[in-house]
Amino acid sequence: DIQMTQSPSSLSASVGDRVTITCRASLSITSYLGWYQQKPGKAPKLLIYAASVLQTGVPSRFSGGGSGTDFTLTISSLQPEDFATYYCHQTYSTPYTFGQGTKLQIK
Amino acid sequence: QVTLKESSPVLVKPTETLTLTCTVSGFSLSNPTRGVSWIRQPPGKALEWLAHIFSNDEKSYATPLKTRLTVSKDTSKSQVVLTMTNMDPVDTATYYCVGGFEREGHPIGLDSWGQGTLVTVSS
Repeated sequence: DIQMTQSPSSLSASVGDRVTITCRASLSITSYLGWYQQKPGKAPKLLIYAASVLQTGVPSRFSGGGSGTDFTLTISSLQPEDFATYYCHQTYSTPYTFGQGTKLQIK
Repeated sequence: QVTLKESSPVLVKPTETLTLTCTVSGFSLSNPTRGVSWIRQPPGKALEWLAHIFSNDEKSYATPLKTRLTVSKDTSKSQVVLTMTNMDPVDTATYYCVGGFEREGHPIGLDSWGQGTLVTVSS
């Protein structure tokens, strides 16, 4: 099975900051990677698919990059509504696997 | 508008079999570009992918659970069903039914999530 490792596990930042979350796959997954945002008590929401394609309706301050084994999710200027937990998810090879999550908190 | 709705919250006893139904609207389960995953989340923990049923009816399961899981679909009823045998308290979680689009045989984005349903395993 492909293991997905996110870093950091938690992150404190301020409104307006630029933040980057990384996700590393144990094997190449080409670009079959999605990023999801989850707020407490809510279902996750798709932000980015195919590593770098912004899902319709997602603000342009979110961006994704990478291919192969190393990926990033960047938020260019944090807004109050961005404080949440973020997950990466590979869909290259079954079983499809999630990262352990990155909790983004207000500093 | 695509929506997915899981069956109601349930309490099951250890060793029993869980059956969850997901009712889909806004797209057909025979659509060659759409598949459905089941994902769960224990309280306070990370997301765990369980199973996917592809548009061509192929199925895939999480390795640690593959002997306990079965996923199927009834296109005429627009329903996807997940069964999990031999339930244990560690299976207590919110279970999500999630629609995703596919390309070249791979899901490339799980874009439509159900609200989730809480499954509690307790005697």
